[in-house]
Amino acid sequence: QKEVEQDPGPLSVPEGAIVSLNCTYSNSAFQYFMWYRQYSRKGPELLMYTYSSGNKEDGRFTAQVDKSSKYISLFIRDSQPSDSATYLCAMRGRSGGSNYKLTFGKGTLLTVNP
Amino acid sequence: GAVVSQHPSRVICKSGTSVKIECRSLDFQATTMFWYRQFPKQSLMLMATSNEGSKATYEQGVEKDKFLINHASLTLSTLTVTSAHPEDSSFYICSARPQDRVNEQFFGPGTRLTVL
Repeated sequence: QKEVEQDPGPLSVPEGAIVSLNCTYSNSAFQYFMWYRQYSRKGPELLMYTYSSGNKEDGRFTAQVDKSSKYISLFIRDSQPSDSATYLCAMRGRSGGSNYKLTFGKGTLLTVNP
Repeated sequence: GAVVSQHPSRVICKSGTSVKIECRSLDFQATTMFWYRQFPKQSLMLMATSNEGSKATYEQGVEKDKFLINHASLTLSTLTVTSAHPEDSSFYICSARPQDRVNEQFFGPGTRLTVL
C-alpha cells in the first residue's frame, strides 16, 4: 500500500460546480497536510496547508483533515476554467530533520468546462 | 513573496554531457532546498534534500555521483546531472523552505531536460 493514495482522475466539471478532491494516507505520523496546484509544465503552487485535524478556508478553497480516518479533502466552490490543473496533496510528519520531507499523492487532473 | 526560480527552463543535450540546473530563492533565505523529479502524469519523487553548507541527503535509489548537488548559499542550490543519458530525461523541480516559514515549501517552475 502506498503511503498516500489519490485518484488521478481525470475529473471534468461544469463551470460553477463544487469540486471535491481527496487523498487517503496510511502513515499516522503525518501531521502537516498541503494542497498544491500544478499547471501543465509548471512547478506546483502551494494553495493551502493545514496542521492536524480540522478545516481551513481561503476564499473559494476549503481544506479538511480527518486524522481519525486518515483522509483529507480540498473543496473548490464556484469552480472556474482557470482552476483547470492537476491538484496534488502532500503531507509530512512533525517538524525537524527528515520530517520536513513531503510525501505527495499522484495528483488529480481537473478540467472545469465553460 | 516566496518566489523560487530555476534556470534553465528547458535544456536539450547530447548523451554523455553534463547539465547544471540552478535553483534560487529570490526574496527569502532558504535553509533547506529539495530536488524532485517528475515523469509525465506521475507525482513528484524526492531525489535529495540539501542544507546550506552541508552535504546533500539522497533518497534511496538516487545515485549521488550522478546527481551532484551543491547548496553554497542560503539562496542558491545547483543540481548537476553528470554523463546524462536518455533515461535521465525528465522534469526536474526544486523547492525551498524559508528560514522563517519552516512549515512551507515553495516550488520553482521546473526544468525540462531532454537527453538525445
